[in-house]
Parts: sequence; C-alpha cells; structure tokens
Amino acid sequence: EVQLVQSGTEVKKPGESLKISCQGSDYTFTSYWVAWVRQMPGKGLEWMGIINPRDSDTRYSPSFQGQVTMSADKSISTAFLQWSGLKASDTAIYYCARLAGLSTMSFDFWGQGTLVSVSS
Amino acid sequence: EIVLTQSPGTLSLSPGERATLSCRASQSVSSSYLAWYQQKPGQAPRLLIYGASSRATGIPDRFTGSGSGTDFTLTISRLEPEDFAVYYCQHYGTSLCSFGQGTKLEIK
Repeated sequence: EVQLVQSGTEVKKPGESLKISCQGSDYTFTSYWVAWVRQMPGKGLEWMGIINPRDSDTRYSPSFQGQVTMSADKSISTAFLQWSGLKASDTAIYYCARLAGLSTMSFDFWGQGTLVSVSS
Repeated sequence: EIVLTQSPGTLSLSPGERATLSCRASQSVSSSYLAWYQQKPGQAPRLLIYGASSRATGIPDRFTGSGSGTDFTLTISRLEPEDFAVYYCQHYGTSLCSFGQGTKLEIK
C-alpha cells in the first residue's frame, strides 16, 4: 500500500532552523512529484510548492518562495521541507502529498501531517 | 493566479439529504485539473474527485463531481453520518496550484 510517512511534531523557538521529512513507500518514489501543503490552525489548505524527486526540480508558490527550501533524497525515498529561521507565523500542520500524475494534477496520497509549533 | 471561491462557507444538512457544494474559478480552467478533497478533523485530506468528475479509488458513488469552465459542483446524493467534514476544491494550472477556502458540511 502506498504510504507517505512524515516526521513527528516539532516545537521550536523563533529564529531556529528546522527540516521535516516525508518518506514514501510501496511505490517508485522517483516517478511522482511530491508537494507540500500548509494548514494553519483552524484554516484551509495552502499549496507551498512541489519537487520532482527524480532530479530535484522544484517549483515554489510565490507566497513561499524564499521562505522555505524543498529537497529530496531519492536514495532513501524521502522529501524534505526546511526553514532557516522560523517565525511564530510558521506554526501549522504541514502535509506532503503525492501528485497522482500530469494528466490529473491531483494529490492521491497524503502524509499524516507534521505539526510545527513555533513559540518563544 | 487562479482564485477558487467555494460556497457556501457552511452547509447545515441532515443525514439522508442531498448536498450541493460549489467551486467557482476566477477564470476559465481545464476541468482535467480540477479536484475535490474531504478533510475530517485531525486527518489529512482525502482525494474524492479528480478531472472534475472522476471518482478516486474507493470513493462511493454518492459523490459526484461536475462542471466546466469556471463553475464546478460536488454533489453528495444522500448524506451519510461520515460525510460531515470540510470539502476543498483544488486546481493545478501552469506551475501553480490553488485550493478553495473550503466548505464545512455540518449536521443540522
């Protein structure tokens, strides 16, 4: 069964750096783009960007360009999302999601989410 | 950037009733790239409909997607207790993806 398993809850202070992960299993990781989606407390879904694990080609939403960095390590079937200086406003649940295919551009499998809490 | 506007914000209905959720795009979009998701509290979103009208694997046939151009609809024919959740539409266009703000379907 296809799965995306994300790293656990993070509690950080403003200014700290962070890297969270999303490991794919039971499918060919390099054949599907992986997106990151933010959900702030009590709010809707926001697309942050997407990465092709095959060659690390990355597309960012203009809202998140320069704020985060996406990367992937195909040797361990894992995508990453990182921050170099967290802000309180980064407090949210972050989901990774697999792009089903270029013919549908929908997300068919999702990770369980990683809660990031940033507070002084 | 395409903006997706969902209506209503909240829909209060009873089990067994029919639900009609709307998603309007700020400009005409390809129906091939319009999807719907369901999200329950504490859970990740789940893909319901892709290509505007195709049900994802395992999705019951009471869920129907329709529409084209700027206006899309998700219809749930007979609400089951497990259908009460938040629903999002999503479009992926030229290197940019957007979600609607969501419709909360609550029990009346």
